[in-house]
Amino acid sequence: EIVLTQSPATLSLSPGERASLSCRASQSVSSYLAWYQQKPGQAPRLLIYDASNRATGIPARFSGSGSGTDFTLTISSLEPEDFAVYYCQQRRDYATFGPGTKVDIK
Amino acid sequence: EVQLLESGGGLVQPGGSLRLSCAASGFTFDDYAMNWVRQAPGKGLEWVSGISGSGGRTYYADSVKGRFTISRDNSKNTVYLQMNSLRAEDTALYYCAKDVLNMAWYFDLWGRGTLVTVSS
Repeated sequence: EIVLTQSPATLSLSPGERASLSCRASQSVSSYLAWYQQKPGQAPRLLIYDASNRATGIPARFSGSGSGTDFTLTISSLEPEDFAVYYCQQRRDYATFGPGTKVDIK
Repeated sequence: EVQLLESGGGLVQPGGSLRLSCAASGFTFDDYAMNWVRQAPGKGLEWVSGISGSGGRTYYADSVKGRFTISRDNSKNTVYLQMNSLRAEDTALYYCAKDVLNMAWYFDLWGRGTLVTVSS
């Protein structure tokens, strides 16, 4: 089973700041990695797939990078609605999710 | 409107059974694989099971293999999750999630979830 770890567990930032979230896989997943955003009481929303492709309707401030075992989700300038929990997910071997990074307001 | 609507959750005793349903609308149902993903209270996401568009291929997480069965009825645009031998650790909000393709294993449409509580 491919295990994903995310860091940091919590990221405290102010609106307008840049956020960088990390996801590391226990073995190579090539570029088969997605990022999701989840707000309290809501279902997850697909942001990025195949490491760097934005899903339909996702703003350009969200970008993804990486391949192999190390991946990054970057939010270039945080908007108030971006404070949420972010999960990475690999599809190299079925589907597994990371434990999440909470981005909260500093 | 493109949407998924889950139902069938509830309170069940350990060892009991439940069948979850997910009704889809607004897209060509049998073009897409469908999945169940769960989230225990206050915890992260766990993929549970997936089924191909035709229903011919099914997949399960090790944690539910042999206890849960996924199926679909393309004439009713509905996917099901039959859950047997339920355990306390199966307590979670169960989401139905649409694949972006047929077994691409990315999920671009989610329902609101149905809560399953396993407790005596």
